[in-house]
Amino acid sequence: NAGVMQNPRHLVRRRGQEARLRCSPMKGHSHVYWYRQLPEEGLKFMVYLQKENIIDESGMPKERFSAEFPKEGPSILRIQQVVRGDSAAYFCASSDYRGGEEQFFGPGTRLTVL
Amino acid sequence: KNQVEQSPQSLIILEGKNCTLQCNYTVSPFSNLRWYKQDTGRGPVSLTIMTFSENTKSNGRYTATLDADTKQSSLHITASQLSDSASYICVVTHKAAGNKLTFGGGTRVLVKP
Repeated sequence: NAGVMQNPRHLVRRRGQEARLRCSPMKGHSHVYWYRQLPEEGLKFMVYLQKENIIDESGMPKERFSAEFPKEGPSILRIQQVVRGDSAAYFCASSDYRGGEEQFFGPGTRLTVL
Repeated sequence: KNQVEQSPQSLIILEGKNCTLQCNYTVSPFSNLRWYKQDTGRGPVSLTIMTFSENTKSNGRYTATLDADTKQSSLHITASQLSDSASYICVVTHKAAGNKLTFGGGTRVLVKP
């Protein structure tokens, strides 16, 4: 049973470009969470999705950031017109229900904005 | 404000020694408290999870304690190994906020030979 998969592992973008981060949850998990970890800081919640629905996006910036979890395929975190402050590690986690016994984390995508 | 504070921020210990990491939280009410280990460049991996009614939980050389009255938890590492070098993160699930996780800033542990 493969764990949570994220790709790419490393992503470099220039200011103003778009970044697309992908997350495939563990098999059988329908709940996906995105977190951001700035250098030398703890993880911060961004958004929680179930299949085809955004349940809680209270931690996601209102502009430039969007997330989806389509019926088929991975969850996507999209950052438009990236700025240097977007440089961070973005982690995806999945669970079989919200607040469930365990959230399993992926290896993260490290975004560097030049 | 619901917060999770960890101390110390970083710690250096010699291989074979024990150490204890602290976590204080103000999140209330909470569903559970978890300790995660995060190796450099990797995602967090769960070590222990405790509900408010549990006082202690062990996972090999890792033992977590919880005092729900004082809102404190600790993670004790016994007979440390080089592979224990990592960040250890205390995470509290906020029951009233739809079971949202609140993360501490972590304690960076470096085990030296």
